[in-house]
Amino acid sequence: EVQLVESGGGLVKPGGSLRLSCAASGFTFSNTWMSWVRQAPGKGLEWVGHIRSETDGGTTDYAAPVKGRFTISRDDSENTLLLHMNSLKSEDTALYYCSTERHGYSYGWGQGTLVTVSS
Amino acid sequence: DIQMTQSPSSLSASVGDRVTITCRASQSISNYLNWYQQKPGKAPKLLIYTVSSLQSGVPSTFSGSASGTDFTLTISSLQPEDFATYYCQQSYSTPYTFGQGTKVEIK
Repeated sequence: EVQLVESGGGLVKPGGSLRLSCAASGFTFSNTWMSWVRQAPGKGLEWVGHIRSETDGGTTDYAAPVKGRFTISRDDSENTLLLHMNSLKSEDTALYYCSTERHGYSYGWGQGTLVTVSS
Repeated sequence: DIQMTQSPSSLSASVGDRVTITCRASQSISNYLNWYQQKPGKAPKLLIYTVSSLQSGVPSTFSGSASGTDFTLTISSLQPEDFATYYCQQSYSTPYTFGQGTKVEIK
């Protein structure tokens, strides 16, 4: 069974940085594409980006609002997905979910970690 | 980016009702259309992928269909546990985009 546990959220000032982690278990992490999806308070779901498995190149894609500011990486030795967030803005305030991805759909989700960007 | 327009934004229905939610893509997305259910305070849950494939463990009261760039999620007989918000998502090309959601409330 897919288990995903996000951590690292918190309160950060505009322009600041934060690193989110997602600890994975219950599946073969190294073979799995992984995604980040966020949800602003009271709003809908927004795809942030994903990272392919190393066997599929380990490359990343991002949504336009975060491209150049956010970086997704993975540590297959630790079964961990990371989201490095720089130059944070108030509009980045959201609950951030990591998910397992197959053919573009997210079939396993964590419980989310809350990021609040405020002065 | 591909825009996904979901309708209605909310609906009220009774237990046992047949409910239909529609999602329209701004361009062809082949069969790369997925549906999720989200309950308050919980993570989304995958219901249906590639238009009509039911995720393991999802009741057969849920079904999906397509006609061109229009996609439909149908709940054949609404159950108390089905009151939630539903999202469509295209996974044809990145950035994968979601519809704005449909909140299904108790009448």
